[in-house]
Amino acid sequence: EAGVAQSPRYKIIEKRQSVAFWCNPISGHATLYWYQQILGQGPKLLIQFQNNGVVDDSQLPKDRFSAERLKGVDSTLKIQPAKLEDSAVYLCASSLEAPGVSWELFFGEGSRLTVL
Amino acid sequence: KQEVTQIPAALSVPEGENLVLNCSFTDSAIYNLQWFRQDPGKGLTSLLLIQSSQREQTSGRLNASLDKSSGRSTLYIAASQPGDSATYLCAVGGYGQNFVFGPGTRLSVLP
Repeated sequence: EAGVAQSPRYKIIEKRQSVAFWCNPISGHATLYWYQQILGQGPKLLIQFQNNGVVDDSQLPKDRFSAERLKGVDSTLKIQPAKLEDSAVYLCASSLEAPGVSWELFFGEGSRLTVL
Repeated sequence: KQEVTQIPAALSVPEGENLVLNCSFTDSAIYNLQWFRQDPGKGLTSLLLIQSSQREQTSGRLNASLDKSSGRSTLYIAASQPGDSATYLCAVGGYGQNFVFGPGTRLSVLP
């Protein structure tokens, strides 16, 4: 079974530039998450999708971050304009539908962003 | 608001030792708890998932226990090996809420 795919693995940009990350979840997983992980910390949820609808984006800095999940499969996370404090690893995860099932999370390898 | 802590922040042990990693959470009304392993520069790998109705789960040399009433989970690693060196994170899932992660315990197993 193929895992969660993410790209690019690494990205270096200057502040105020834009960047986009892509995620393809495990086949059949309806729920997709984007997390931000700053060095030395646990992942922090940015946004959760159920199919192609947003379930939780309460911690997404909407003035600069946006995300979409067209057709309920692939997802893209965009940052525009980037700030120095956005330097982090952006992790995508997926799971089967939450109600009544294990809700186990499966993560991709992550996309490491460095903002100079 | 759920808060998750992990103690110790870092641990170094000689190969072959049995060890325990701790995870504490403030709200005992949880749905499940998941332990992950993270190697440097990599994503998170799921190790064990414990539902709120369970007391423990086992996989190979790993055993995770859950005590909801005291707000604690422990991950027991038997006969540690250098390949176990990684950061171990716990994540607590609430009813209708997303997982909240702890900061992790960085484990080094010395040959």
